[in-house]
Amino acid sequence: AQTVTQSQPEMSVQEAETVTLSCTYDTSESNYYLFWYKQPPSRQMILVIRQEAYKQQNATENRFSVNFQKAAKSFSLKISDSQLGDTAMYFCAFMKRSGSEKLVFGKGTKLTVNP
Amino acid sequence: GAVVSQHPSWVICKSGTSVKIECRSLDFQATTMFWYRQFPKQSLMLMATSNEGSKATYEQGVEKDKFLINHASLTLSTLTVTSAHPEDSSFYICSAYPGQGSSYEQYFGPGTRLTVT
Repeated sequence: AQTVTQSQPEMSVQEAETVTLSCTYDTSESNYYLFWYKQPPSRQMILVIRQEAYKQQNATENRFSVNFQKAAKSFSLKISDSQLGDTAMYFCAFMKRSGSEKLVFGKGTKLTVNP
Repeated sequence: GAVVSQHPSWVICKSGTSVKIECRSLDFQATTMFWYRQFPKQSLMLMATSNEGSKATYEQGVEKDKFLINHASLTLSTLTVTSAHPEDSSFYICSAYPGQGSSYEQYFGPGTRLTVT
């Protein structure tokens, strides 16, 4: 079974600064996807960024980028130029590429952006 | 595009009664829908996976007779909490999966807060 570990329950950052959220996972699969989801106080889950395991290039989406280290099974999220609206819970998630497409979530990191 | 709705957004029911939560994909067809439960300040816990026209697959430890899931069409799945008790109070979230053409992205509903008194 796959597991996802987020070792930082809470983090805070000053507005406009950069913060990195950690995620490690354990799997014996070779084909999979990794995701970062954001859950603001509204509790709506929002996809932040996704990474296909077979792609070596790290995914980027505007101010969000990942550092994907497949051998180390590490998938960290970097948020640049943090904004107040980035305050949310962030969940790292794993999905096998074939099969049931179930998402396995980490426990989450609560990020607070301070003005 | 890719909008998922849930109804109701908040429901209060009395202990012993049943409550139904609807999950709809508004602008796409979902081959698979997922139901999650989330306790305060915790992660999402997958309860079950449903495919249109077939029985739901429940995760270990989830009572299938208490949490009835019906995936009646490619745009609608329902979760019925039967004989609800206060410990069933939680936040329930559904997600809809269009298939591999979506680059494996699931689209989440806004959630339903269930309070059992």
